[in-house]
Amino acid sequence: AQRVTQPEKLLSVFKGAPVELKCNYSYSGSPELFWYVQYSRQRLQLLLRHISRESIKGFTADLNKGETSFHLKKPFAQEEDSAMYYCALAGGTSYGKLTFGQGTILTVHP
Amino acid sequence: DTGVSQNPRHKITKRGQNVTFRCDPISEHNRLYWYRQTLGQGPEFLTYFQNEAQLEKSRLLSDRFSAERPKGSFSTLEIQRTEQGDSAMYLCASSVRKTGTFRQQNTEAFFGQGTRLTVV
Repeated sequence: AQRVTQPEKLLSVFKGAPVELKCNYSYSGSPELFWYVQYSRQRLQLLLRHISRESIKGFTADLNKGETSFHLKKPFAQEEDSAMYYCALAGGTSYGKLTFGQGTILTVHP
Repeated sequence: DTGVSQNPRHKITKRGQNVTFRCDPISEHNRLYWYRQTLGQGPEFLTYFQNEAQLEKSRLLSDRFSAERPKGSFSTLEIQRTEQGDSAMYLCASSVRKTGTFRQQNTEAFFGQGTRLTVV
C-alpha cells in the first residue's frame, strides 16, 4: 500500500527565513512525487514534480529514495508563499491517480 | 477560464436525497479523476476514467456512489441516499495519458475548484 506522510500540520516562519516542508512516503515501486499548493480561495495546482528537477517560485524538492523523503525547501520565504501544501505520490505511469498527504499550512509572517 | 470546471460549487441537501455533480475537464484531456476531501485531510482518490471507460474505483466508493463519463468528455458523480458522512469537498481533475510514449508526455493532474457538499 502506498502512503504519504506530512508530519507538520502547521508551519510558521518569518519572511526571509528558510523553510522546509517535510514529506515521507511509502511505496514498493518507483514513485513519482509531486508537491501541490493551494492558495487561499484558489484551486489545487501543481508546484513541482521530482522528475522535472526544476525550481518553481524558488522552491526545490529532492527525492531521497534511501530516506523515502521528498522535502520541499525554499531558502528565503515570502509572504505570498503562505498557503496549504500537499505532497502527493503517483504509483505507475498515471500522474493523476494520486495519494496525498494530509497537507501542511505554511504561514509566512512579515 | 479553460481549466477544469465543476458545478455546482456548493450543494446543501437533506439526508436521504440524491445529488449529482458535474465535471468538465480540459478539452483535450483523456483522463478524468474524482477525489473527495474532508476537513483537515488531503484529497482521497475515488475513481478515474480514460475516455468513457471507468478504469478504477476506490473502496471508498460505496454502492451509493456512481460515476459516469458517457461520451468521454464531461463526467457526473451521483450520490444516492446521502448521509451526513458524505459531507465533503468533491474534486475533479483531468490529465493527458498518451500510451506508447515517454513518461514526460503524460501531464500532471489539473484540478477543478471542487463542489462542496453539505448533508443536513
